[in-house]
Amino acid sequence: SQQGEEDPQALSIQEGENATMNCSYKTSINNLQWYRQNSGRGLVHLILIRSNEREKHSGRLRVTLDTSKKSSSLLITASRAADTASYFCATDALGVNRDDKIIFGKGTRLHILP
Amino acid sequence: DGGITQSPKYLFRKEGQNVTLSCEQNLNHDAMYWYRQDPGQGLRLIYYSQIVNDFQKGDIAEGYSVSREKKESFPLTVTSAQKNPTAFYLCASSLNLAPGFGEQYFGPGTRLTVT
Repeated sequence: SQQGEEDPQALSIQEGENATMNCSYKTSINNLQWYRQNSGRGLVHLILIRSNEREKHSGRLRVTLDTSKKSSSLLITASRAADTASYFCATDALGVNRDDKIIFGKGTRLHILP
Repeated sequence: DGGITQSPKYLFRKEGQNVTLSCEQNLNHDAMYWYRQDPGQGLRLIYYSQIVNDFQKGDIAEGYSVSREKKESFPLTVTSAQKNPTAFYLCASSLNLAPGFGEQYFGPGTRLTVT
């Protein structure tokens, strides 16, 4: 399976509720990033969390990182219709000899219901 | 306006033809990347370049080629050797924050259809 895997694959919640998405990975990393993608568009960077950080906030977003469990979560509080999008985590896969890779998961499709 | 641009937005080609996708950035970023995205899937790295005149293969480089002659430009050629070229192609750039990969800025994408 892939380095970064999001869970759940799809999530529908009522507007105003909180949305939580999870990401698991396999190898040691330098950092983990979360991105949002609206349908048919490019990705937009949300948050980068380094391997020595445990939690980071940005507005209504909260990201946690547990390197012992090789997992991260993205929490969106007080969801809005505009949050409807796909959310991806991206991790470094540390390599040797300049072959580091960045790997995106398949994403969580979030749908905010009015 | 600072940003990263890709052109064209939609591209149609006949099977057996090579096609080049454009990617330009004026963010003064050292690193640039090409990804492929298939429906309902995540992004897969095709090629990346961390400095002018140097680039590395990603996970799915076969059937693709790139060049990095200028810092601002990282064109991707989809050759006739690529078995299944129809996809959404995304270009990105970032500051080169070794170790690891920094925050990436994405272009709007090019949707390539080969028939």
